[in-house]
Amino acid sequence: QVQLQESGPGLVKPSETLSLTCAVSGGSLSGYFWSWIRQAPGRGLEWIGYIYYAGSTDYNPSLESRLTISVDTSKNQFSLKLRSVTAADTAVYYCARTYGGNMQFWGQGTLVTVSS
Amino acid sequence: DIQMTQSPSSLSASVGDRVTITCRASQDIYNYLVWYQQKPGKAPKSLIYAASSLQSGVPSKFSGSGSGTDFTLTISSLQPEDFATYYCQQYNSYPYTFGQGTKLEIK
Repeated sequence: QVQLQESGPGLVKPSETLSLTCAVSGGSLSGYFWSWIRQAPGRGLEWIGYIYYAGSTDYNPSLESRLTISVDTSKNQFSLKLRSVTAADTAVYYCARTYGGNMQFWGQGTLVTVSS
Repeated sequence: DIQMTQSPSSLSASVGDRVTITCRASQDIYNYLVWYQQKPGKAPKSLIYAASSLQSGVPSKFSGSGSGTDFTLTISSLQPEDFATYYCQQYNSYPYTFGQGTKLEIK
């Protein structure tokens, strides 16, 4: 069974860059899209964007100007960079394997707080 | 963006009950809909995709129906582990969007 694990700093200062990595085990990146989703405290889910294993991306337009998602097939992982963060970017960030729009398997999530 | 609206926002039910949650899309999404279950402090779990197809390993007590703009998730014979928040999500067009969630609580 594929497993995903998010990692990265839990605290980021305003205006800086939020960087997270999702390590995938128990399966290859090949053939799937790999998503990032976030959930602000006590709120609903927001799709951030995804990357195909071959490198093509689709982003949420609300974040696109600040967002980069990349993939490293040699390490079986993919990454998120969100620039110029504010308190509104405080959330639990999840990564997920996505097939046909269905986010089939999720990581456990990692809380990122934006604060000085 | 396509708006997804769930009803009700919260629902109280008893063990053994059958419940139905509704999700409405702001435009036609054909059958490009997923249902998720989320328990407190945990990641969402995919239950149903393509509106009515059961994700592997999910019990058959969960069922989905609908197409176009109106969809339902039905859970039969509620058990304690089914009390959670349920979300719908469309994947007809970018950006993918979720409903606001339906919190299913024990009566």
